Amino acid sequence: AQSVTQPDIHITVSEGASLELRCNYSYGATPYLFWYVQSPGQGLQLLLKYFSGDTLVQGIKGFEAEFKRSQSSFNLRKPSVHWSDAAEYFCAVGAADMRFGAGTRLTVKP
Amino acid sequence: DAGVIQSPRHEVTEMGQEVTLRCKPISGHNSLFWYRQTMMRGLELLIYFNNNVPIDDSGMPEDRFSAKMPNASFSTLKIQPSEPRDSAVYFCASSPRTASYEQYFGPGTRLTVT
Repeated sequence: AQSVTQPDIHITVSEGASLELRCNYSYGATPYLFWYVQSPGQGLQLLLKYFSGDTLVQGIKGFEAEFKRSQSSFNLRKPSVHWSDAAEYFCAVGAADMRFGAGTRLTVKP
Repeated sequence: DAGVIQSPRHEVTEMGQEVTLRCKPISGHNSLFWYRQTMMRGLELLIYFNNNVPIDDSGMPEDRFSAKMPNASFSTLKIQPSEPRDSAVYFCASSPRTASYEQYFGPGTRLTVT
């Protein structure tokens, strides 16, 4: 069965610092992988997705993620965090029956 | 593009009452999903439709929950009778005809059952 693990419940970084959010997945075949962001009181917004091809994918808001099959990982990165990036981040795997991780809450210190 | 529209945004009801949540997907999208989000259980897929037909309702908690999609532009999620443990944020999402599986979420309905 497919599943997603986000090991970090909460991460705090300083504004301008780099960011990496971890995601590990379990899936029977080549996975469809996604990162979503949720601001307080809002729905989820798609940041980026991976289906095939180049394992480094670029998304909106300056985010990127790298698919590593050998590690079953799809970590999200950003070189320089802005205060507006504070939100909850969800990794997801699957197709129509998508499964979401528990989320990582990002706090940005001034 | 108006995005996915959900109504109401907030609903407070008493235990035992019927609750109906509504969703209008993005025009042209052919898949629709209902999710429930709670602190304890995270984001759970309840049911999804493809071309207005329910495909997988295995996530629906129990018979008190039902969902319909009478046409391509409207879906409802009904809880009857409601219980306090149903309190959560319910999201509707839609996905385009291409097989990209990316989902576009509505703003959610925050349901409180007292």
